[in-house]
Amino acid sequence: KQEVTQIPAALSVPEGENLVLNCSFTDSAIYNLQWFRQDPGKGLTSLLLIQSSQREQTSGRLNASLDKSSGRSTLYIAASQPGDSATYLCAVRRITTSGTYKYIFGTGTRLKVLA
Amino acid sequence: DAGVTQSPTHLIKTRGQQVTLRCSPKSGHDTVSWYQQALGQGPQFIFQYYEEEERQRGNFPDRFSGHQFPNYSSELNVNALLLGDSALYLCASSRGGVDYGYTFGSGTRLTVV
Repeated sequence: KQEVTQIPAALSVPEGENLVLNCSFTDSAIYNLQWFRQDPGKGLTSLLLIQSSQREQTSGRLNASLDKSSGRSTLYIAASQPGDSATYLCAVRRITTSGTYKYIFGTGTRLKVLA
Repeated sequence: DAGVTQSPTHLIKTRGQQVTLRCSPKSGHDTVSWYQQALGQGPQFIFQYYEEEERQRGNFPDRFSGHQFPNYSSELNVNALLLGDSALYLCASSRGGVDYGYTFGSGTRLTVV
């Protein structure tokens, strides 16, 4: 059974710091991995999608890496800003035995960037 | 280009009642998936609809049912509500057979009292 764990559960940093959020998964047979941002009481916004054949993806100040063999992904945020404060969720997508796909989410990391 | 639209945004129901939540997918999307997100948890997959059929289902009881209409919009129905059904219900749309990430709606906050 695929399990997704995110560490730390919560993080508070001063503005301007570079930071790393971690995501680990137990089954390396994934199709892709996606990082999302969720503001309080809101839906999810996709940040980065990494296919299983890729090692990393970058978008602006965000960089996500994927190491399938070790079951790990990291989200790197450069020069953090107060507007980055949110919960960050990772989700792995795997192919089921019936040939369909499903996402399994971690519980998220709550980030607070202090001005 | 409208994204995923969910209604209502909030609602309060009493234990034992029934509720219907609605979702309109992003333009060009034909697949709708529903997720339940309890407070402080990650979203849990409920089911997915494609071509008006339930294609996948997560570990949710039969009290949770759904429907997809010819215009690709979808409804989530929950019968005999329990206090534990209180959560944010998220709808996500995508294009069947194409490996693009989901587009999520803002969710419906359901409170069961």
